Amino acid sequence: QLQLQESGPGLVTPSETLSLTCTVSGGSISSSTYYWGWIRQPPGKGLEWIGSIYYSGSTYDNPSLKSRVSISVDTSKNQFSLKMTSVTAADTAVYYCARLNKNYYYAVDVWGQGTTVTVSS
Amino acid sequence: DIQMTQSPSSLSASIGDRVTITCRASQTISDYLNWFQQKPGKAPKLLIYAASILQSGVPSRFSGSGSVTDFTLTISGLHPEDFATYYCQQSYSSPYTFGQGTNLEI
Repeated sequence: QLQLQESGPGLVTPSETLSLTCTVSGGSISSSTYYWGWIRQPPGKGLEWIGSIYYSGSTYDNPSLKSRVSISVDTSKNQFSLKMTSVTAADTAVYYCARLNKNYYYAVDVWGQGTTVTVSS
Repeated sequence: DIQMTQSPSSLSASIGDRVTITCRASQTISDYLNWFQQKPGKAPKLLIYAASILQSGVPSRFSGSGSVTDFTLTISGLHPEDFATYYCQQSYSSPYTFGQGTNLEI
């Protein structure tokens, strides 16, 4: 059964870059059926779409994050990554990596457990 | 971006009740509408995709309907484990935006 696991620093200094990696196990990131995405949830708030990527490297970002976000894929490691520059306290959130299933109208059918990132000095 | 508006934002109900949550898109999304359930401290769980298709393993008391811009999630006969927060999401056009959530409480 496919599993996703986020990894990365839990504490990031304001104005610095947040970097997270999602490792895919139990399946191949290079499958043509899936896209891979990042979603976040600030404390006590709702879900926010960050962006997604295909194994070929095509990305679909959220314009509201004003080009601070880049998503990349490493098929050799079965991983995809998120980088977010110039972070502020507003970027404090639980960050989820996710699998989007083309056969399910691009619904997220697998989620990582989430990793908490706090932006603070 | 497509805006998703859920109502109500919170809902009180009892075991055995039938409840309905609505979701409206700011523009047409065909039937690219998904529903998720989230419990505290956990990742969301996919309940319904394509507006009305039940994800494998999800109880049949959950159902979804709608198309274009207006959608509903219905839970027929609430069980104790159904008390959670529910989100709609459109996957028609990136960014795949979510509704603000509906907190279903006892």
